[in-house]
Amino acid sequence: QSALTQPPSASGSPGQSVTISCTGTSSDVGGYNYVSWFQQYPGKAPKLMIYEVSKRPSGVPDRFSGSKSGNTASLTVSGLQAEDEADYYCSSYAGSNNVFGTGTKVTVL
Amino acid sequence: EVQLVESGGGLVQSGGSLRLSCAASGFTFSSYWMHWVRQAPGKGLVWVSRINSAETNTTYADSVKGRFTISRDNAKNTLYLQMNSLRAEDTAVYYCARSSGGYSYGAFDHWGQGTLVTVSS
Repeated sequence: QSALTQPPSASGSPGQSVTISCTGTSSDVGGYNYVSWFQQYPGKAPKLMIYEVSKRPSGVPDRFSGSKSGNTASLTVSGLQAEDEADYYCSSYAGSNNVFGTGTKVTVL
Repeated sequence: EVQLVESGGGLVQSGGSLRLSCAASGFTFSSYWMHWVRQAPGKGLVWVSRINSAETNTTYADSVKGRFTISRDNAKNTLYLQMNSLRAEDTAVYYCARSSGGYSYGAFDHWGQGTLVTVSS
């Protein structure tokens, strides 16, 4: 039950794109198309941004997109805006359990 | 509107027990898998446990197995987490979350606001 690996930080200027990776194993990310991404502001509950690798819930801007290749999933935020500055976590179904990523702090320069 | 409201957190001594509750409304609670997720101060999210709609299937993270018990009362639309033999490292905000679509693999599409558990050593 090891956490999925994410880079601790990522940054970009307004209007630019940032991509966050989420690396697991064939038992979680690589084995299922049930990868989700969450946005979390300090002191707030996480918010679902992407589910089933690349689907966006209603209300999430299309600037947010997800993909997966092998054991690594990715979240791309295009056209960065100030309000995108937050912590981002990936999560994967892993059969007998669920697992989260280590988290990435996104800074808008 | 889907709402999840946790309660029951507080300060407890190491070795003690606490029961968290998560009151659900705005959806058919009895049709959904539910989860507990925790976040230690300044740290990342960690999955804790999940339970199916009929309370016949429960799983736990290794770190809490044998000490925590997840349960639910579908008549009361409430999810529980009984926490025994608490340790300092269990100190965290505990969130309940709904699994979308009624599946164990569903995304955590709705979250409560969290309840803080502090274990003093």
